[in-house]
Amino acid sequence: DAGITQSPRHKVTETGTPVTLRCHQTENHRYMYWYRQDPGHGLRLIHYSYGVKDTDKGEVSDGYSVSRSKTEDFLLTLESATSSQTSVYFCAISEEGEPNYGYTFGSGTRLTVV
Amino acid sequence: GENVEQHPSTLSVQEGDSAVIKCTYSDSASNYFPWYKQELGKRPQLIIDIRSNVGEKKDQRIAVTLNKTAKHFSLHITETQPEDSAVYFCAASTRDKIIFGKGTRLHILP
Repeated sequence: DAGITQSPRHKVTETGTPVTLRCHQTENHRYMYWYRQDPGHGLRLIHYSYGVKDTDKGEVSDGYSVSRSKTEDFLLTLESATSSQTSVYFCAISEEGEPNYGYTFGSGTRLTVV
Repeated sequence: GENVEQHPSTLSVQEGDSAVIKCTYSDSASNYFPWYKQELGKRPQLIIDIRSNVGEKKDQRIAVTLNKTAKHFSLHITETQPEDSAVYFCAASTRDKIIFGKGTRLHILP
């Protein structure tokens, strides 16, 4: 769907372990975003990227890092997972390849930290 | 930073009636306001958007209005149908990212 895929779709991990989520796009768009979705909080921005090696923090970036070594891949890493990071994670790309246009979201990754 | 408030958090309407969801934003520089619909277990999908140089936009049964002076924007759904049941998110642009409201769960009652 619109050339954006997330992996894995589901993951269960233990507290204290590192976890990396992957977002892959085939649209060659510059802007990519990572959000987390939790009941009662809506969609909150974690980090975003505006080009290869160009990233910036969002509203809830503590405990997360990102990397973008290629246009098509945007990785989200939880260095040491905590139970508060149990959530559904969505990647998104901006449809026109520029900010301030509609987003297309990936299918999401459901992460459970036990 | 930008803050987007959305009300109500839950809304129940009879099938065929209208539904209205309201949002406010804080960043006067925001110029793009999309609305997303998320069905259970699915990803959010863009249903309509409006830019700051437009006061109203319609697409069949849905419409959005924007009041830049008051920093308010609203989603209107007319002649509601069962398939309109979902969570709706408003959002506002700030610099090069979009900030979302917390969502409204819309129930369409038979």
